[in-house]
Amino acid sequence: DAKTTQPTSMDCAEGRAANLPCNHSTISGNEYVYWYRQIHSQGPQYIIHGLKNNETNEMASLIITEDRKSSTLILPHATLRDTAVYYCIVRVGSNTGKLIFGQGTTLQVKP
Amino acid sequence: NAGVTQTPKFRILKIGQSMTLQCAQDMNHNYMYWYRQDPGMGLKLIYYSVGAGITDKGEVPNGYNVSRSTTEDFPLRLELAAPSQTSVYFCASSSDRAIFSGNTIYFGEGSWLTVV
Repeated sequence: DAKTTQPTSMDCAEGRAANLPCNHSTISGNEYVYWYRQIHSQGPQYIIHGLKNNETNEMASLIITEDRKSSTLILPHATLRDTAVYYCIVRVGSNTGKLIFGQGTTLQVKP
Repeated sequence: NAGVTQTPKFRILKIGQSMTLQCAQDMNHNYMYWYRQDPGMGLKLIYYSVGAGITDKGEVPNGYNVSRSTTEDFPLRLELAAPSQTSVYFCASSSDRAIFSGNTIYFGEGSWLTVV
């Protein structure tokens, strides 16, 4: 089963880009990488997902390495409201739909 | 659409009591999940279901039971509540097509449970 590894915590200055790494070295060829974040104790919020190509939406960009063993979530201009726990997850087990969250990275955006 | 609705939002249980956390979704999603989140920790998968009548264990199923008699509902049953089950519980759902095409998972707002 694919498993993700993320740093426990990171700091970022307000207005700067936040780059959050994720390792998923055992990912299978048809497994997607999802990024979610959780602010305080709210339910996780979807950010972005990708398979092979880099992706960008209004919230963030996702860079996936060519071998797909790691990815980076980029928040281009971090604000104080981006302070949250960021989860990188991959779909676990073919055809089961089981979704396992890791510990995530606590991003602290500082003024 | 209401999305994913969880009830109750807050509950205090005494040790040994039982209760059911309700989860309903109105998006006709086949996949539904129950997670728990202890203070300062990540989400742990308790049980999940890929369709009505089908459930399977996640990472931390002990002390819980689930059923999926309809597509819409996925209740989580706590039998003989213990202090270790004090946590925030999140229900989530997704369409089967979304799972294989990478679309989003929808979460409820959470249910805060304290066992004393």
